[in-house]
Amino acid sequence: GAGVSQSPSNKVTEKGKDVELRCDPISGHTALYWYRQSLGQGLEFLIYFQGNSAPDKSGLPSDRFSAERTGGSVSTLTIQRTQQEDSAVYLCASSLVPVVTGGYTFGSGTRLTVV
Amino acid sequence: AQSVTQLGSHVSVSEGALVLLRCNYSSSVPPYLFWYVQYPNQGLQLLLKYTTGATLVKGINGFEAEFKKSETSFHLTKPSAHMSDAAEYFCAVSSRAGGYNKLIFGAGTRLAVHP
Repeated sequence: GAGVSQSPSNKVTEKGKDVELRCDPISGHTALYWYRQSLGQGLEFLIYFQGNSAPDKSGLPSDRFSAERTGGSVSTLTIQRTQQEDSAVYLCASSLVPVVTGGYTFGSGTRLTVV
Repeated sequence: AQSVTQLGSHVSVSEGALVLLRCNYSSSVPPYLFWYVQYPNQGLQLLLKYTTGATLVKGINGFEAEFKKSETSFHLTKPSAHMSDAAEYFCAVSSRAGGYNKLIFGAGTRLAVHP
């Protein structure tokens, strides 16, 4: 597509439920990233996918968080047993090549509220 | 390890005044540096970047930034603020130490422009 598409744009869930957030990157972009934006915290790196290589999961905050990327395209971020501290905007980005000389293209994000 | 510090979580200027948003980075090797802007309820948009070459880089909307290695800084400036510049601004770094394959962001600076 023309841009990075994320769905849903807003999600309200009850504490303890599981949620899935979807990211559809720009066609042909081999690198895909997930970040979390919490109020006053800036952007926190979560996970990075590059082609068929093993993902860099070094930013995932706990084992309740996982992500997959199917067919080198669409990615899903899953949060199990959500907690109130998981409330944040989850941003997805993609780039044409893994070496970040050109920066990323970001989606508009999914605003997650855990009540 | 790489890190970014943005001095001032909130900056307020008058319309027509100079905009100065400060960014200092920490990297043991030459960095790539970026500034992104985020308008309300939107994703992040690349303003400008420094990779190699000229240390003064110009971006969109009249913004520019200067890479100063001796000061480990990459401050963002605009000579004359416009009401439409009100947004949140993020500085980011990547470097060879991290494989140049992901960006580390600062906490952001919210710019307010008043008449």
